[in-house]
This record gives sequence, C-alpha cells and structure tokens, in this order.
Amino acid sequence: AQKITQTQPGMFVQEKEAVTLDCTYDTSDQSYGLFWYKQPSSGEMIFLIYQGSYDEQNATEGRYSLNFQKARKSANLVISASQLGDSAMYFCAFHTGGFKTIFGAGTRLFVKA
Amino acid sequence: DGGITQSPKYLFRKEGQNVTLSCEQNLNHDAMYWYRQDPGQGLRLIYYSQIVNDFQKGDIAEGYSVSREKKESFPLTVTSAQKNPTAFYLCASSIEAGATLNEQFFGPGTRLTVL
Repeated sequence: AQKITQTQPGMFVQEKEAVTLDCTYDTSDQSYGLFWYKQPSSGEMIFLIYQGSYDEQNATEGRYSLNFQKARKSANLVISASQLGDSAMYFCAFHTGGFKTIFGAGTRLFVKA
Repeated sequence: DGGITQSPKYLFRKEGQNVTLSCEQNLNHDAMYWYRQDPGQGLRLIYYSQIVNDFQKGDIAEGYSVSREKKESFPLTVTSAQKNPTAFYLCASSIEAGATLNEQFFGPGTRLTVL
C-alpha cells in the first residue's frame, strides 16, 4: 500500500537558521511525484516545491530545497534562512500518476525571533 | 487573476440540514478535488472529478455528494447522513488528474460548523 509519513508533529527553529522537515514514503511504483505544501493559519494550502522520481537533481525553489534520497524513499524539505512568516503547517504529498494525491499528517513549524 | 474561489468562508448548519459548499476555478483545469481536514490532521479526499459530468468517490465519500456540470464548478453537498461534518473543507484543481506532476491549486477553504 502507498503511504507517506511525517514523523515530526512540531518543530522549532531560530529565525535565520535552516530547518529540515522529514518525509518518507512507501511505494512500489517507479514513476511518482513528491510535493510540499505550506498551510498558514489562514488555512489555504500553498504549493512550495515538486520532485519527480526520475529527476536526478534535487529540486530547489528560492529558500526551499528538497533533499531527495530515492533509495531511502525520503523527500525532506529544507528551509534556509528561516523567517517569522515561515511559521505554518507543512505537508508532504505523494502522487503516482493515478487520480489521488496522498498527504502526510503534517509538521507544524514554529520560527522563533 | 486566475485562481480558485470557495464560498462561504464560514458556514453554520443545524443538525439534519443539507448544505452546499461552492467551488469555482478559472484556471481551465480539467481535474477538481474536495478534501476534508480535521484539526491537527492532514487532508482526506472526499470526491474528485477528472472531467465534466464525471466524478469518483475518494476515501471518505459517505454523507457527501458532488456534481460537475461545468468545467469551472464543483460544488460539494454535505448531507444529513454525514454524522460528523464539522471540519475545514478545501477544494483544489489540477491541469489533469493522471499526470505525475500533479500540482494542485487550492482554494481558501470553508469552515463548516454544525450547531
């Protein structure tokens, strides 16, 4: 069965420091996509970054990068130079080209001034 | 500006009443989705639609119904059969449902409370 796991319910980081949010997945499919979304307190889900299973380079989008380790089936999100506005819930998601995206339970990030 | 709108933002319902949540997109996306989110939890798929006049049940479809008469609209009805409907409801769309790169664009959500 396909499964996605985020083991950190909550994380604290000091402003301007980097933080890594963990995500592992389980699938027997060879072709899949991994996503990270941010959900601020307003509730809207904001797409951050995407990694395809055949992409050889780790995805990067501004301060966000995805540490993709295919053999370990992990897709950790790294946020560099944390800002107060980064405080939010972060969801890892997984899609295999079917019609369903599976979301993890989320990690709540708190950025301290 | 292109995007997804959901209305209302807050909705209160008495027990036994049906309510309909609106979702409209002007992104020209084929696929649309409804998710439910309970406090402190992830998203669970209620229904999805790949194309007009077609929709499929997700993981928690019981007590919900949808329609897709127009490409841009995908309303969700929460019926009286849904025993615990108080939750945050998110609508999303993507260019197509079957692609691996299936970035979903989300609306702002509707918070439903049963009184």
